[in-house]
Amino acid sequence: DVVMTQSPLSLPVTLGQPASISCRSSQSLVYSDGNTYLSWFQQRPGQSPRRLIYKVSNRDSGVPDRFSGSGSGTDFTLKISRVEAEDLGVYYCYQGTHWPPYTFGQGTKLEIK
Amino acid sequence: EVQLVESGGGLVQPGGSLIVSCAASGFTFSNYWMHWVRQAPGKGLVWVSRIDSDGSDTDYADSVKGRFTISRDNAKNTLYLQMNSLRAEDTAVYYCVRDYYSIDYWGQGTLVTVSS
Repeated sequence: DVVMTQSPLSLPVTLGQPASISCRSSQSLVYSDGNTYLSWFQQRPGQSPRRLIYKVSNRDSGVPDRFSGSGSGTDFTLKISRVEAEDLGVYYCYQGTHWPPYTFGQGTKLEIK
Repeated sequence: EVQLVESGGGLVQPGGSLIVSCAASGFTFSNYWMHWVRQAPGKGLVWVSRIDSDGSDTDYADSVKGRFTISRDNAKNTLYLQMNSLRAEDTAVYYCVRDYYSIDYWGQGTLVTVSS
């Protein structure tokens, strides 16, 4: 099974400042078709998860451009250029390359200082 | 607008059974793979099961294999999860999730509580 390891697990940030979350996979997430099926999800308190980023760096429709994804192989990063109050919640990385099982990271709780 | 609406959750005793459903709308259901993902109270996201677009191929997490069955009715645009031999550790919100090369849309979830 592919293990997804996020860091940090808790991220206190000041509004208006940048934030960065790391996700590492236990093996390369490059699929045989050349794509890398690594996504990022945001879960606000009391809500269902919402996808922000797919295939490493593609932002979903309606996602603010302050969110960006990068990385390759086994190392990936979600960055928020300037954190806003609506960004608090838990962020999960997810891999859909090697399955079953499909696997998520443990989650990173973004807290406003 | 894509909508996934789960139903059927509730309180069930250990060893009992339950079926949860997911009504899909706003997209051509029969074209998409679908998943169930669960989240225990205060915990992270855990993948449970997947079914392909015509229901001919399925996968399960080891923790539910042999106890849970995923199925779909494309004529009714509905996804199902039959859960048998339920355990306390199956207590969670169960989400119905769409997949098109990657999981994207999630339902609001339905809470399943296994307790005596």
